[in-house]
Amino acid sequence: EPEVTQTPSHQVTQMGQEVILRCVPISNHLYFYWYRQILGQKVEFLVSFYNNEISEKSEIFDDQFSVERPDGSNFTLKIRSTKLEDSAMYFCASGGESYNEQFFGPGTRLTVL
Amino acid sequence: AQTVTQSQPEMSVQEAETVTLSCTYDTSENNYYLFWYKQPPSRQMILVIRQEAYKQQNATENRFSVNFQKAAKSFSLKISDSQLGDTAMYFCAFMKGFNNNDMRFGAGTRLTVKP
Repeated sequence: EPEVTQTPSHQVTQMGQEVILRCVPISNHLYFYWYRQILGQKVEFLVSFYNNEISEKSEIFDDQFSVERPDGSNFTLKIRSTKLEDSAMYFCASGGESYNEQFFGPGTRLTVL
Repeated sequence: AQTVTQSQPEMSVQEAETVTLSCTYDTSENNYYLFWYKQPPSRQMILVIRQEAYKQQNATENRFSVNFQKAAKSFSLKISDSQLGDTAMYFCAFMKGFNNNDMRFGAGTRLTVKP
């Protein structure tokens, strides 16, 4: 069964450093998403991506964040100059056009020290 | 803006019993989808069940069923014959429209199934 994959599973970084979180969505999907979950809190929407551009973003997704689909298979989230409060689980999800369902990856745990 | 409310932070149930998790939402949209996701300790998000707002019939998936009350904007999850493996966080989620859109989640309910 096809699945969304994410790498790395855990990333530790120093405050102020840049990180790139990687996702490989399900191959025939067209909609891509990043969500984050701070420990003990709810899952929050960050950004959606469709047709090679951002379709919607939340207030959390400020200039510190960017997304890219560099090669038609990977979908990346870049966080520039990480802050302590960026520590969270980051989930990638993808969805198809013919049904309204999103498949989540296993998540990347980001720890900012 | 859509909001999703789960008013039960924690619940517990005896193995083999039935439990109902509640969820309410607020929206001005007429077309939308509702979901329940399970998040075990591994923190993987697993889809449990999905409901289309235009369908009056409540969705069921084996031991999982929903009670969808569109007028009341209520979407509860019933787990029958609870199993130890059902222990997890459960999140209710809302997706607007017909096309695939971003989801908004509730705060979650931590369910513990006791032997």
